[in-house]
Amino acid sequence: AQSVAQPEDQVNVAEGNPLTVKCTYSVSGNPYLFWYVQYPNRGLQFLLKYITGDNLVKGSYGFEAEFNKSQSSFHLKKPSALVSDSALYFCAVRDHTDKLIFGTGTRLQVFP
Amino acid sequence: GAGVSQTPSNKVTEKGKYVELRCDPISGHTALYWYRQSLGQGPEFLIYFQGTGAADDSGLPNDRFFAVRPEGSVSTLKIQRTERGDSAVYLCASSQGANTGELFFGEGSRLTVL
Repeated sequence: AQSVAQPEDQVNVAEGNPLTVKCTYSVSGNPYLFWYVQYPNRGLQFLLKYITGDNLVKGSYGFEAEFNKSQSSFHLKKPSALVSDSALYFCAVRDHTDKLIFGTGTRLQVFP
Repeated sequence: GAGVSQTPSNKVTEKGKYVELRCDPISGHTALYWYRQSLGQGPEFLIYFQGTGAADDSGLPNDRFFAVRPEGSVSTLKIQRTERGDSAVYLCASSQGANTGELFFGEGSRLTVL
């Protein structure tokens, strides 16, 4: 079965520093991977996706993610964090019936 | 608005009661998904529709849960004989097709079963 794992419950970073939120996946076949963000009292929002092509995917709000097949990872990154990036981040994988399977989430806290 | 609309935003009910949660997707979106999110957890898949039919209902936890989408637009999630363990935020999402992966989520319906 397709699954994703987010090993960190929380990531803390100072504003202006680079950030990384980790995700590893387990799939059979080619992985279709996604990142979503959930701000307080808001619905989940799509950030970016990897289907095929370049391993570095660029998305909304300056975020990017790097697909690494050898490490089965799809880490979310941003060169310079903002306080407003503080939110819950979810990694997801599309399974064979086209539904998304989400990870447990990582809370990102950016300190001024 | 143009987004996914869910009603009610909050529902408090007593154990054993029947509950309906409604989702109004983005106009023209053919795929509609229901997820459940408990505190501190990721969204857990329940069911998804492609048009009027349920393409995958493997996430429905038991036969107390049922969902319909009779005209291929609005969907209703129905929970019979509610239990305290059903308390969660129920999320609805829609997309233009089933295989884009870019889902547009509503803000959810928070269900509390006392």
